[in-house]
Amino acid sequence: EIVMTQSPATLSVSPGERATLSCRASQSVSSNLAWYQQKPGQAPRLLIYGASTRATGIPARFSGSGSGTEFTLTISSLQSEDFAVYYCQQYNNWPRYSFGQGTKLEIK
Amino acid sequence: QVQLVESGGGVVQPGGSLRLSCAASGFTFSSYGMHWVRQAPGKGLEWVAFIRYDGSNKYYADSVKGRFTISRDNSKNTLYLQMNSLRAEDTAVYYCAKDRVCSGGSCHDYWGQGTLVTVSS
Repeated sequence: EIVMTQSPATLSVSPGERATLSCRASQSVSSNLAWYQQKPGQAPRLLIYGASTRATGIPARFSGSGSGTEFTLTISSLQSEDFAVYYCQQYNNWPRYSFGQGTKLEIK
Repeated sequence: QVQLVESGGGVVQPGGSLRLSCAASGFTFSSYGMHWVRQAPGKGLEWVAFIRYDGSNKYYADSVKGRFTISRDNSKNTLYLQMNSLRAEDTAVYYCAKDRVCSGGSCHDYWGQGTLVTVSS
């Protein structure tokens, strides 16, 4: 099983500032990594796949990078609607998907 | 637009059974694989099961293998999850999610709003 570890568990950032979220895989997943955003009471939404490709309709302020075991999601200038929980997911070990435990992005 | 609407959740005793449904619209259901993903209260996401577009292959997480069965009826645009021998640790919101090709594999591009399953005596 590939274990995904996200850090930090909670990140406090002011609106307009940059947020950087990290995700580490217990073994290489190549670039087969996705990021999802989940707001309270809502379903997750696909943001990024292939480690760096934005999904349809996702604003350019969201960017992903990394490969192998280290990945980063960057939100360049935080908007109020961006405060949520973010999950990374590996799909390299298809169909044995695994998610990280999530990073809660909160308003500072 | 793509819509996925789950139903069938509720409260069930340990050892009991429940069948979840997911009604799909807004896309050609019979052309896409489908997943079930769950989320225990206050916890993260856990992939549960996947079925290919034509139902020819099914895959399960180890935690549910032998107890849960995923199926689909393409004539009704509906996905199912039959859950037997339920345990307290199966308590979660269950989401259905549409499969899409993502670079190097597949991920989930649309999700339903989820249905809550509570296993408790």
